[in-house]
Amino acid sequence: GAVVSQHPSRVICKSGTSVKIECRSLDFQATTMFWYRQFPKQSLMLMATSNEGSKATYEQGVEKDKFLINHASLTLSTLTVTSAHPEDSSFYICSATPGTSKAGELFFGEGSRLTVL
Amino acid sequence: GDSVTQMEGPVTLSEEAFLTINCTYTATGYPSLFWYVQYPGEGLQLLLKATKADDKGSNKGFEATYRKETTSFHLEKGSVQVSDSAVYFCALLQGGTALIFGKGTTLSVSS
Repeated sequence: GAVVSQHPSRVICKSGTSVKIECRSLDFQATTMFWYRQFPKQSLMLMATSNEGSKATYEQGVEKDKFLINHASLTLSTLTVTSAHPEDSSFYICSATPGTSKAGELFFGEGSRLTVL
Repeated sequence: GDSVTQMEGPVTLSEEAFLTINCTYTATGYPSLFWYVQYPGEGLQLLLKATKADDKGSNKGFEATYRKETTSFHLEKGSVQVSDSAVYFCALLQGGTALIFGKGTTLSVSS
């Protein structure tokens, strides 16, 4: 099946610094990518939808200035957590869909665990 | 809004036991329903799906039937294996392309 890769898988940073997480579709062009956040023992929460070449659409309650999303190419989307704080510690997961996919045919990255000290 | 409710875990079973993980949904229309699985250290993978009422999705011995009358999509397997140990997520899709997930149910199978 299609492959989506995230990097880094784990990152630890100091409070106040910024962290960038990359999401790549390795064998297909992803016109749309999604970023989810998963808290312990909770469901995946959709943060934003990014479409290649346009601004991301953020879900209600997600701070646009804190979670910067860039979808500069059909195979790469990045999530930058700016001025990270301990409450931003979480598991971030990206998913991507080829433009010609069937409904719900999403491919997920392995996830990135962010720990902010 | 639309939502998915899964049974609380963890679920602990012995090998070859019967598995049921309950999932119910709330949606205004007729969503497509999915089960995703997350094995330790890996990303989510689509396990099975059903796109309309009474459809049965099946894969790797797992089955789930889309029950509109009970708004349910319970996951079942007749005989689980140790390799089935994972976190299972029920999800729905209505319009758009963004899935709405349940909280996930951890399954642990011992030999």
